Amino acid sequence: EIVLTQSPGTLSFSLGERATLSCRASQTVTNTYLAWYQQKPGQAPRLLIYGASSRAPGIPDRFSVSGSGRDFTLTISRLQPEDFAVYYCQQYGTSPTFGGGTKVQIK
Amino acid sequence: QVQLQESGPGLVKPSETLSLTCTVSGGSIRTYYWSWIRQSPGKGLEWIGFIYFSGNTNYNPSLKSRVTMTIDTSKNQFSLKLTSVTAADTAVYYCARDLGLVWLGDSQAIYYGMDVWGQGTTVTVSS
Repeated sequence: EIVLTQSPGTLSFSLGERATLSCRASQTVTNTYLAWYQQKPGQAPRLLIYGASSRAPGIPDRFSVSGSGRDFTLTISRLQPEDFAVYYCQQYGTSPTFGGGTKVQIK
Repeated sequence: QVQLQESGPGLVKPSETLSLTCTVSGGSIRTYYWSWIRQSPGKGLEWIGFIYFSGNTNYNPSLKSRVTMTIDTSKNQFSLKLTSVTAADTAVYYCARDLGLVWLGDSQAIYYGMDVWGQGTTVTVSS
């Protein structure tokens, strides 16, 4: 099983700041097999990014992903109020797994 | 657009079987993969498994011995059964549409993610 580690568990930013969130895999992940989700309190997760770098419909271009191999990064270029949430990475291998999530909170 | 709705008992006794159904509306269940994911209180997401409309399944190895998924294309529903539950199975259970892999011409593939989710249903395991 591929373990995805998202650390730190919580990051604090001010509005308009650039946020970078890390996702590290226990073994190499094909970057096109990676997806990212956003979850707000009391809501189901929402697909943000698929195929490593493609934004899901309706997702603004301030969200982007980079990385390869074992290390991947989700970047939110200018944090908006609606971006404060928990973000999960997910890999789609033989047995899909999710990272533990990173909470982006207001500083 | 496609919508998913989970249904089933909110309370299950220890050692019994958890049974949930996901109803798909606004689209056909005869395409894509259909997944179950759970989230324990205050925790992250755990993939339980998925089922294809043909009935093919893929389960999380850590749950495989207790999980069964079925699909009823005539009702546009798919279901989850989890046996021998304990308090550790207390969670919000989500169903989701998984678009799976799309293969490109050069032996590469793109994973399109889980794009539609149900609202989730809370299942508590307690006597």
